[in-house]
Amino acid sequence: GDSVTQMEGPVTLSEEAFLTINCTYTATGYPSLFWYVQYPGEGLQLLLKATKADDKGSNKGFEATYRKETTSFHLEKGSVQVSDSAVYFCALTGSGSARQLTFGSGTQLTVLP
Amino acid sequence: GAGVSQSPSNKVTEKGKDVELRCDPISGHTALYWYRQSLGQGLEFLIYFQGNSAPDKSGLPSDRFSAERTGGSVSTLTIQRTQQEDSAVYLCASSEWTRSYEQYFGPGTRLTVT
Repeated sequence: GDSVTQMEGPVTLSEEAFLTINCTYTATGYPSLFWYVQYPGEGLQLLLKATKADDKGSNKGFEATYRKETTSFHLEKGSVQVSDSAVYFCALTGSGSARQLTFGSGTQLTVLP
Repeated sequence: GAGVSQSPSNKVTEKGKDVELRCDPISGHTALYWYRQSLGQGLEFLIYFQGNSAPDKSGLPSDRFSAERTGGSVSTLTIQRTQQEDSAVYLCASSEWTRSYEQYFGPGTRLTVT
């Protein structure tokens, strides 16, 4: 079945540092890929998405590129802020009729001032 | 507009009791999903509805779990004879069927089985 593997956290960075959270996936066909974010005390929110190979999703300074050759969708941000502290989940939906999201285990990010 | 709402926000129940969790999706969203978030299992998919129909129930962890949706809107997840391993946050999400990749999540129901 489909699966998503994320780098384990927690990750602690200083403000303005560069962020990378690795994500690789296993899926048949052509999945769509996502990053969701869960801020403290809030629900899951879609951060960005990419629906086909070589697409780059971007939002709020975060970016991720759908790499089919390496089955990866790494999340990056050039300069993190304290307000980016949250749990980040990589996820996919399969290319078949199933519409559910398959999530990675989540990565806790803490940004220190 | 209003987002996905879930009730109750917290539920504490005794082992062996039945519980009902409610989800009110975004108006006009025909697709509705239930997930469970627990420390040991992460985020796992339970069931989805297209309208009132649930094509695939294989994600439900046991036959103690059931779900229904009426009028293409509100959904109820029922857990019978609760066990301690059912303790988790139960999340509901909804989407337009043609944009199932863009799922909007509710705040969740935290279930604690004592």
